[in-house]
Amino acid sequence: AQKVTQAQTEISVVEKEDVTLDCVYETRDTTYYLFWYKQPPSGELVFLIRRNSFDEQNEISGRYSWNFQKSTSSFNFTITASQVVDSAVYFCALSDIQGAQKLVFGQGTRLTINP
Amino acid sequence: DTAVSQTPKYLVTQMGNDKSIKCEQNLGHDTMYWYKQDSKKFLKIMFSYNNKELIINETVPNRFSPKSPDKAHLNLHINSLELGDSAVYFCASSQWTTNEKLFFGSGTQLSVL
Repeated sequence: AQKVTQAQTEISVVEKEDVTLDCVYETRDTTYYLFWYKQPPSGELVFLIRRNSFDEQNEISGRYSWNFQKSTSSFNFTITASQVVDSAVYFCALSDIQGAQKLVFGQGTRLTINP
Repeated sequence: DTAVSQTPKYLVTQMGNDKSIKCEQNLGHDTMYWYKQDSKKFLKIMFSYNNKELIINETVPNRFSPKSPDKAHLNLHINSLELGDSAVYFCASSQWTTNEKLFFGSGTQLSVL
């Protein structure tokens, strides 16, 4: 069975600090997809990134970066120079290769950026 | 235009009532979903339809019945509402062949009193 664990329930940092959100996953599939979604206080789910299991290159998008390591089954998310607008609940998720994306979500990490 | 829209945004009702949540997507996708987010923010898939055909049906009480009249719509009807049904229900859509990201609606906050 697939499982995603986000061990950090809540993180609170001061603005401009760097922060890393951890994600560890379990799957027996050799091909799978990993995702990060953001849920700001307004409640909608905002897609951040999708990563194929064959692509272990790290990715950077502005202040956001992702570190994918198959050896440790981890897909961590780092925000550099955090801003108050980054405050949200962040979800890591996993899906298999089938067409329907049966996303298995982690428990979420509530990130609070204090001014 | 909103890509995935669901109505209503808020739904407050009494135990035992029957209610429906509607979802529509204008992205041309062929697959739609219902996810449930409980009070602890945990998200779990309930159903998925591909071209109006039910393809994912998780362990959900029979009181929940999805209906997809066409590829662009997926409604969720709930009979005999219970206190434990209180949650946020998210509709989502995607394209089967590309397995790209899910596009989520803004959610329906259901409160059963």
